[in-house]
This record gives sequence, structure tokens and C-alpha cells, in this order.
Amino acid sequence: DAKTTQPTSMDCAEGRAANLPCNHSTISGNEYVYWYRQIHSQGPQYIIHGLKNNETNEMASLIITEDRKSSTLILPHATLRDTAVYYCIVRVSEYGNKLVFGAGTILRVKS
Amino acid sequence: AAGVIQSPRHLIKEKRETATLKCYPIPRHDTVYWYQQGPGQDPQFLISFYEKMQSDKGSIPDRFSAQQFSDYHSELNMSSLELGDSALYFCASSNGAGLLETQYFGPGTRLLVL
Repeated sequence: DAKTTQPTSMDCAEGRAANLPCNHSTISGNEYVYWYRQIHSQGPQYIIHGLKNNETNEMASLIITEDRKSSTLILPHATLRDTAVYYCIVRVSEYGNKLVFGAGTILRVKS
Repeated sequence: AAGVIQSPRHLIKEKRETATLKCYPIPRHDTVYWYQQGPGQDPQFLISFYEKMQSDKGSIPDRFSAQQFSDYHSELNMSSLELGDSALYFCASSNGAGLLETQYFGPGTRLLVL
């Protein structure tokens, strides 16, 4: 699986959009970008994933650059409960494919 | 919606004891993954099962073993426990039938070895 690079930490004001970048310059054509988050020792929570098109769901939006070498997770209106570690993971979706967690981004949402 | 269930949620053991962690996947999910997260670390993959067969193996110690049963629940057996085994253990499940299988995590079991 391709490696990812994320900022160590970011701060965001409550109610503002949180934009979390991820670099995955060695991504292959069949690898997807997944985002998970972990709120203080809870089980990691799935947020969103995509291959090459931008994706949006009820939690967030995922913007993937045209060359697929980087992506941005957008939380449109961050709340204090969005404070968590956010993991960007690149993987091939096939049976039994494990998630490889790298060093994610600690997002602190402040009032 | 039903989620992944893990039991027990907390476990305290002495060194050299054994421990069994259980995972009940989301209904109709046929794939189970186990992850270990040490203090201040990121989750690390241990082992996975698809349709009751081991499908992948990570950095799981030989002292650990796991299996998936006919009802798809899984158990992680840990023997000769060491202090370094103190960690959060997460189970995740997925429906492996489709191309885009997403893993959903349980709340974890916190194991403390004294």
C-alpha cells in the first residue's frame, strides 16, 4: 500500500470548515483513499473513501487532486465533538485487505 | 444500526496468564480483523479472517492465536501475557462480498497486564 503523509496537528475554530490534507504521491491506479478518525481511545470510525472523483456524505467531503497524489478531507462545520485523530489510508479494496494506520493528524476544534 | 460488539470491554490480568477476547461482527458481515493499539501508538493490524479462514496475518506474536467461528464471531486468545501486551484491542468487521468493503470498528477491549 502507498504511504501517506499528514500534518501532525491542526487547530480549527468551532463552526468553521476543517480542511485536512493528505499526501499520497506513490498511490497506484487501483488504490483507494480512505479516511478514518479516532476519538480518544474509541474504535476508529469510518468517514469516507474515494478513488478519483470527489465524494461527499453526511459527515464530510473528500477532494482528490486530478493526479491523485494528494487529497483533502473537509468537515464543513466543525464542532467540538470532531476533535480526534484523523487517519488518511491508501489501500486496495479486496478481500482481507488490512488497514495500515500511519501517523494521523490530531485535529483540535476550539470554541 | 447494529455495531460490532466486543467483550469484555476491560480486562486485567497478571503476567503469564491467558486472556480471551471476543468479537461479534455486524450481522451479515463475514470478515473480521483484529488490531492492537499500544499506549500513544496507532492501531496495528494483527490478523484477519474471511469466511472462517485466516485471510491475512500481521505482526501477531506466536503467543496469540485467533479463530472465526461458524456464526462469524471471532476470538483472540492470548497466552503467557507480558507487560507489553497491555493495549487496546480492536475488532473490525466488513462484508467482503462487494468490491468496496469498508471496515467498521468495535469499541475495543482495554487489556491491562500487571
